[in-house]
Amino acid sequence: AQSVSQHNHHVILSEAASLELGCNYSYGGTVNLFWYVQYPGQHLQLLLKYFSGDPLVKGIKGFEAEFIKSKFSFNLRKPSVQWSDTAEYFCAVNARAAGNKLTFGGGTRVLVKP
Amino acid sequence: EAGVAQSPRYKIIEKRQSVAFWCNPISGHATLYWYQQILGQGPKLLIQFQNNGVVDDSQLPKDRFSAERLKGVDSTLKIQPAKLEDSAVYLCASSFLRQGHGYTFGSGTRLTVV
Repeated sequence: AQSVSQHNHHVILSEAASLELGCNYSYGGTVNLFWYVQYPGQHLQLLLKYFSGDPLVKGIKGFEAEFIKSKFSFNLRKPSVQWSDTAEYFCAVNARAAGNKLTFGGGTRVLVKP
Repeated sequence: EAGVAQSPRYKIIEKRQSVAFWCNPISGHATLYWYQQILGQGPKLLIQFQNNGVVDDSQLPKDRFSAERLKGVDSTLKIQPAKLEDSAVYLCASSFLRQGHGYTFGSGTRLTVV
């Protein structure tokens, strides 16, 4: 079945550490890729998105993601995290092959220790 | 611009009772989505509207869930009768293009069925 997979369910790290969250999808053809963040008690917010062009996408709050088509991956990175980055992160894919609906991965809960 | 409005924020009901959620999308957004987010999981699409027509309701449990979008603006999602496993956050989102290039999410309604 077509799906979006996030490899880590929980990540714990200290401030200033680097963060990388994995995301893989199984859709073929044209895809649009997104990373959303959900801070405790808040609604989903868009971190960044990829539609076309440069596969290295820069988003808000120092986050970036790289689209590697051959690996069906869209990993999220941040060189140096802050305590305020504690949140749940969701990868999402909008694929023409799936009727253009937005499908989410299971999420990764990130805890940054001060 | 105003965001996607949802109400109520919280709802606690007993199993077998009925409940309804309301969503007001961003003005001019033709596409509206309802997602169900169970604790610890990513959001799952329940139904997608384009104006007042249903585009995708393949994951909507139609024996108990129903949704409508009268006049292509506001939408209501109903559960009748509720089960314990319906406890979740119900998210509404809207987008300008059917392809969903830009999605805006509401704060959600947290439903607890006891």
